[in-house]
Order: sequence, then structure tokens, then C-alpha cells
Amino acid sequence: QQQVKQSPQSLIVQKGGISIINCAYENTAFDYFPWYQQFPGKGPALLIAIRPDVSEKKEGRFTISFNKSAKQFSLHIMDSQPGDSATYFCAASITNRDDKIIFGKGTRLHILP
Amino acid sequence: SQTIHQWPATLVQPVGSPLSLECTVEGTSNPNLYWYRQAAGRGLQLLFYSVGIGQISSEVPQNLSASRPQDRQFILSSKKLLLSDSGFYLCATEGAYNEQFFGPGTRLTVL
Repeated sequence: QQQVKQSPQSLIVQKGGISIINCAYENTAFDYFPWYQQFPGKGPALLIAIRPDVSEKKEGRFTISFNKSAKQFSLHIMDSQPGDSATYFCAASITNRDDKIIFGKGTRLHILP
Repeated sequence: SQTIHQWPATLVQPVGSPLSLECTVEGTSNPNLYWYRQAAGRGLQLLFYSVGIGQISSEVPQNLSASRPQDRQFILSSKKLLLSDSGFYLCATEGAYNEQFFGPGTRLTVL
């Protein structure tokens, strides 16, 4: 119940296309859903996050779509660029509790130039 | 804003040698601190976390140990490294929503 399942494991997208990464969770107590971007040799960086009271959050070319009833959330990267090539992790946490944040296993995204 | 420092950035050590990786945090006091390991091409494995000086919790049994001698210092150690200890080690702090903020990482290769 504490797992966050992320798919696909790897993704190849043409430059200018839309990259979509999906995550699913079971624990309905999760109330914060961040996405992280990690470049090779660097630590993961918080990219964008959403709380379950909204269905979508957009920051530039990055959008999180959230479906509370399906217990799923996804990251959409519009107009994907070669510089977006990285590993992306979804995560879920319960605020105001001692439970630790749970990470998905990651998606390696490659944008073809 | 907080800054996380980790050193060394890279390390190559022989099997059986000791290990000490250091993490220090600036810009915050009494942070919750975390050590993660990331094997090549794999996900994030939580190793240890600490809610205060001298307070360490271990998530998985292993060859490693952690210590927190000062409020903003977190150390990862081993007495004898194994080949399986190779990986990318990340120190992290925690935000208001339990999200993690990661340091730059240490690449450890055990030969």
C-alpha cells in the first residue's frame, strides 16, 4: 500500500513531442505528489508538485495531471527538448506525519534531437 | 534557502577499506537528514535518516552506519567496504511537505 508504481521505465520521444510519465498509488492518505528531475551525476531536483485538491498544475512546459478517483498522476512535458533528457521520479508523501516520502522507480527519458 | 554540501564528489576505494562520506547543511537549523543510495541506473534506496543529533534510524540492514555529531552534519561510514557498496550516495533534507531536497551526491566505486 506504500508503493508508488511508475511507468514506463524508459521513454524515447522526438524533439518537439509530448513526453508522458505515469504514476499510481494505493494509499489515499498521500496528500503531496512531487516530481523530481535528475541529470547524470547530479542529485535529483524538485521539478513540480501537486496537492490532491487540484486536478492539474502547470509550470512552463511541465504539467502534472492528477486523478484522485483513479489514484493516478502523470507528468507531461510539452515541446520536449534534448535538454529534458534525464531520469524522472514521481513521489508521494503524507504531510504532518512521520511517514517517509515514497519514490517511484524512475523513468529514463531520452529526447531525440 | 538551504544548501547541502557533500564530499568527496567521487571516491574509488578497494574492497575491505573504510569509508567516510560527509554531508553538511547550511541555511537551516535542526533539519531532518537522510542518506540515500542509488545503484547504477536504479531508483533511490533510503539508507538512514536522523531527526536530531545522535538520533539515527536505519531503513535496511547493511554494511554501512551513519552518525550525526552536529546539528547540520551527517556522516555515512563503513569499516570494511564491499563491492556491493558501490553507488551514488545522496544526502537530503526534508521540506514542509516531507519532500526531499538532495545534495550533489558522492559517486563511490569499490574495486
